[in-house]
Amino acid sequence: DAKTTQPPSMDCAEGRAANLPCNHSTISGNEYVYWYRQIHSQGPQYIIHGLKNNETNEMASLIITEDRKSSTLILPHATLRDTAVYYCIVRVPLTGTASKLTFGTGTRLQVTL
Amino acid sequence: NAGVTQTPKFQVLKTGQSMTLQCAQDMNHEYMSWYRQDPGMGLRLIHYSVGAGITDQGEVPNGYNVSRSTTEDFPLRLLSAAPSQTSVYFCASSYSQTLLDNYGYTFGSGTRLTVV
Repeated sequence: DAKTTQPPSMDCAEGRAANLPCNHSTISGNEYVYWYRQIHSQGPQYIIHGLKNNETNEMASLIITEDRKSSTLILPHATLRDTAVYYCIVRVPLTGTASKLTFGTGTRLQVTL
Repeated sequence: NAGVTQTPKFQVLKTGQSMTLQCAQDMNHEYMSWYRQDPGMGLRLIHYSVGAGITDQGEVPNGYNVSRSTTEDFPLRLLSAAPSQTSVYFCASSYSQTLLDNYGYTFGSGTRLTVV
């Protein structure tokens, strides 16, 4: 029931910007887009989320297209420690008013020297 | 330290044994959930809870039981372990999880379970 599409893998040179794309063409007008990452087999780590406007925090920037059908996570200066699987997520409804964040297979980002 | 605590970190079981994976959070989060992650796959939802006394099934609930007697704790019980339950298990919590919420999850560090 994944509602997002991401490339399976990407490479990035250390120090360069890593731009990770995500398509979410079925997103509704009020649903947020979330980005998480998972390093090795650790628990997923929250990065950023957004609704309509571009967002920036200390970890990354999130660019959402005007039609909200796609977004891009930007790591401005990738380091080797950013090597991880990155998940782009929107909510999926459960029973009643509950929902869940559905983690697909994500994009495996490899940062190289 | 605030967060989600999972115990044990590693466990080996024999087929047919039962055990409980513990999950505790100290952030007063209403929503808690259990995921399993298998090699090459995303996280799959096992069970979730929207508050104390309320639990429901996720995508892959067979072979697992949960209860939520307090806001803080959400244990996952394996009734009769099978090799197919060999996996990494993650517990997650959140303030709320309605469809239009903007609350993310806080994850525990995981329990690596091997059933032989």
